[in-house]
This record gives sequence, structure tokens and C-alpha cells, in this order.
Amino acid sequence: QSVLTQPPSVSAAPGQKVTISCSGSSSNIGNNYVSWYQQLPGTAPKLLIYENNKRPSGIPDRFSGSKSGTSATLGITGLQTGDEADYYCGTWDSSLSAGGFGGGTKLTVL
Amino acid sequence: QITLKESGPTLVKPTQTLTLTCTFSGFSLSTSGVGVGWIRQPPGKALEWLALIYWDGDKRYSPSLKSRLTITKDTSKKQVVLTMTNMDPVDTATYYCALRGSGSYCLEYWGQGTLVTVSS
Repeated sequence: QSVLTQPPSVSAAPGQKVTISCSGSSSNIGNNYVSWYQQLPGTAPKLLIYENNKRPSGIPDRFSGSKSGTSATLGITGLQTGDEADYYCGTWDSSLSAGGFGGGTKLTVL
Repeated sequence: QITLKESGPTLVKPTQTLTLTCTFSGFSLSTSGVGVGWIRQPPGKALEWLALIYWDGDKRYSPSLKSRLTITKDTSKKQVVLTMTNMDPVDTATYYCALRGSGSYCLEYWGQGTLVTVSS
């Protein structure tokens, strides 16, 4: 059972925008940074967003992150077929003194 | 260039102890704030955070697996080792190690992962 809650799947057409939600609690998202990871089929996860809304070098600005209270959101604009992947949110849980991930969201670009 | 690579057995029997090694390059585990963590992913399922060791030797474990896990580091060899006791078929997964960079609160770089199957 994952520490954070994500929708199992989302879908949208090429060129459109999609958002993926990540819900937690005061002990994790509420008081810690959120990061997002993209996992393309058959590959290792890759950091997409860190510290709620920052993009590592090389990540296009089509990807954005935000946080409000105990929830976070990943946004992807200008969807491409190459964006089809599983997306995971992650954070630290201060009560557990451990990291945690969401259950993952499978993005389908129709 | 930062790289991490996991190594260890691909097949273990139930009740055995699993030992995985993460060998890294491009950073030092003696740098303040740096950590190396382990994460696993059963086939077709979500990521699961397992353990993290910091530059100063501080260790954190998943509460649900804490009794079975041990994480250690060898800074000079640039290795982090994870042991998991009493393996069960439900522990079949791809195991990843990843870098928590200094001053960051995320897993910046990941290894390619190694698939471990638990079966008799």
C-alpha cells in the first residue's frame, strides 16, 4: 500500500494537456518537498520534477509541478506519444522517517 | 558523469538472505548531505521505497521491512550494500539504487535496476 495516492491512469490526445494528482497527508506532502519521476516502459525511473516545481536540466518546460497543502500536481502540456509512461510522485514522511511513493499513474496518449 | 549500478544474484530461494551491491561513480558518499537509497518494483507494480544511508552513516528504513533490511556503505570502494533476510516469493522485484544529492530532497540519479526472483 502506497504512502501517497495517485489515479491509476489518465489519458489525453496528442497536443493536449493532462494533470496527474498526488494526495498525501501533513506528515508527508504537507511538510516536505514533492518530486515526480517518469518511468518509460522497460526503463528505470527518471527524475522529472524536484522540490515541488523545479525541473532538472534537460527536462522540457512542458512538464510542471505544483503543491498545495497535502496535495501535489504534475502537469504536462503539448502531449507527445513519447510521453506515454508511468508517473510517480515521491516525498519524505516525517512521521515514518522514511521515503514514499505514490501508486503510479499510467499516461496514455491517445 | 554520475552512474549507479546494482549487482547481485538474479535468483534466490525462499528463506535465504539477499545481498545487493550498488557501485557508483561521479560523486562521493563522504560529501555532506549525500545519500544512496534502495527502491524496488515488483513486476507490473509500483515503486516501493526500502532504505537510505547518508554520508554520515545515518540510516533510514521502510517501517514495514525494517526488521529484514540492513544498509551499509563502503565509501572508499564507492559501494552501498543492502541485505534483506528471509526472502519470500513476494519479494520478487527489480531492485534499484539511487542517489539523493547533497541539499536535495529527491532521488536524482537511478541505476538501471536488477531483477531478483525468489523461487525454489
